[in-house]
Parts: sequence; C-alpha cells; structure tokens
Amino acid sequence: GGIITQTPKFLIGQEGQKLTLKCQQNFNHDTMYWYRQDSGKGLRLIYYSITENDLQKGDLSEGYDASREKKSSFSLTVTSAQKNEMAVFLCASSIGKYSGNTLYFGEGSRLIVV
Amino acid sequence: GQQVQQSPTSLVLQEGENAELQCNFSTSLNSMQWFYQRPGGSLISVFYNPSGTKQSGRLTSTTVIKERRSSLHISSSQITDSGTYLCAMQASSSFSKLVFGQGTSLSVVP
Repeated sequence: GGIITQTPKFLIGQEGQKLTLKCQQNFNHDTMYWYRQDSGKGLRLIYYSITENDLQKGDLSEGYDASREKKSSFSLTVTSAQKNEMAVFLCASSIGKYSGNTLYFGEGSRLIVV
Repeated sequence: GQQVQQSPTSLVLQEGENAELQCNFSTSLNSMQWFYQRPGGSLISVFYNPSGTKQSGRLTSTTVIKERRSSLHISSSQITDSGTYLCAMQASSSFSKLVFGQGTSLSVVP
C-alpha cells in the first residue's frame, strides 16, 4: 500500500500573502492532482500533472501556480491569498495518464486567510 | 461544460433504512467513480463503475451509460455510513481528470 501526505494540515496566512501547500506520494504514481473543495460545491480541479515537470491547468487555475519537480511530489502555491479562498485543498494521485484508474486522496489542507 | 448533478443534497436516515443516491451527467461518459468522505477525512474510492452493476457488501452501484446516470444504493444503513458521498465522471472527450458532483451528505441516526 501507499500513502499521500499533505502538509501542512492547516495553513493560516494573511490576505495578499503567497502560500504554498505540499503533497508527497509513495505509490510511484504518474499522475497527481490538486483539487479545491468548498462546502456544497464538490471538488474542482486546479492543476494536474501527468509526469515529472509536466503541468496541466484545470478549471480553477487562475490565482494558483503548481510545481512537479519530482515524480513523488506536487506543490500548489496560492499566489495572493484572498478571504474567499478559504477552503480545503485535496491532493490526489493515480497510476496512469488516464483517470480511468482509481484516484487516491490525501487528507486535505485547510487554508485560513485572516 | 461538463456537469454532474447529485441528489439529494442531504439525507437523514434511521439506522436500518435503505438509501438511494443519484448522479446525472450532462455529457457522454467514459467512466465514473463513487467516493466516500468522513467529516475532516480524505476521499476513499468506493466504486469504480463505468457501466453495469457492482456490489460490495451493503453497497450497490449501477451505472447506465445511455441514460447518463449512476446510482449508489445503501442497504440496512449503519451509523458509521454517515459522511459525504461524491460521484465523479470522466468524460469521453477528456482524459486525465474527473469532474465531481457536489456530494450528498448522509446522516444515519439511531
């Protein structure tokens, strides 16, 4: 079995601040994802990456940057935190390029903007 | 764009009752999955079910591609079934990402 580790679990920052979330997986999966979860709105895809150094924009990429420097890690940066961005950010991975395979999720990182 | 509608939004059951959760998709479907999320927890894949019917214990998933819908049936509900159930589709035209519904919040009470 494997695990996806997201850090930090809670991230508190000030409005306008640049904030970074990190994700590590030891499944040796090719594809990794960042989703944002808002109450009552399900999950929305921010960025995904099908291999090391690859980046693909999702539906909600504006205001975010991402980086896949290693196969096992995928980081997400909020470029200028806003109060309406308080949400849970979920990292996931899957075995291949196509998401016909099961996604495995981390436990989430909650962003709090003060 | 691709849309996934889940119903109901929330549901309260008495322990032992059955439940049927629904997902409807706006575009043609390549595959779909059901996920379960405990409050404050990660999402766990419950079913990967691109078509037909699959059963695992008290859970049964049925996907009808032609009708662009999928359902999750929970029989003899237990308090530990409480949480959020999300369906997600992979559209035929779009690989490498899943589009999620907004979720059904289930509470099972004694």
